[in-house]
Amino acid sequence: GENVEQHPSTLSVQEGDSAVIKCTYSDSASNYFPWYKQELGKRPQLIIDIRSNVGEKKDQRIAVTLNKTAKHFSLHITETQPEDSAVYFCAASSPGNQFYFGTGTSLTVIP
Amino acid sequence: DVKVTQSSRYLVKRTGEKVFLECVQDMDHENMFWYRQDPGLGLRLIYFSYDVKMKEKGDIPEGYSVSREKKERFSLILESASTNQTSMYLCASSSQSTGRAFFGQGTRLTVV
Repeated sequence: GENVEQHPSTLSVQEGDSAVIKCTYSDSASNYFPWYKQELGKRPQLIIDIRSNVGEKKDQRIAVTLNKTAKHFSLHITETQPEDSAVYFCAASSPGNQFYFGTGTSLTVIP
Repeated sequence: DVKVTQSSRYLVKRTGEKVFLECVQDMDHENMFWYRQDPGLGLRLIYFSYDVKMKEKGDIPEGYSVSREKKERFSLILESASTNQTSMYLCASSSQSTGRAFFGQGTRLTVV
């Protein structure tokens, strides 16, 4: 089955700096890669996703890149703000299949 | 806006009790999932369902069962609750066409 690894497990950045979280996956059949943000005590919220026919996607300060050959994808957050502090999860999925999640990255943005 | 609603935010049950966790979604999604979330372990899939009356085991199905009698509702059953099932339980649903999954607010279950 699929195996998703996520790094780093914790990340601290100064406000205004960029943050990058990386994930790798093992199953070449995976073709959908979402990212979730989970604030303390809240449900995971979908923040951005990418499909395997696209190499990069951007939404304001958030971007995701995908390298199918190397089987890795990354979340980039620019101009970080304190409200970006949360746990971020990556996931991989193939059509009709379950989602395989990474173990999460706890991001702290220091004012 | 997609709504996935779990019946309880907090539950305290005794060891050996039968526990029902309910999840309802209002977006006519085909797929529904039950995860448990533990610190350092991320989200682990217990069971998922891609259609009414259909179910598939996830990574950690032992001690759990599920029921999907209607498309909008997916129930997780702990046949005989044990203390190692104390956890946060998250339900999710997704559309076959977009693949996008949305989560319920979670149920924090404590088994004493």
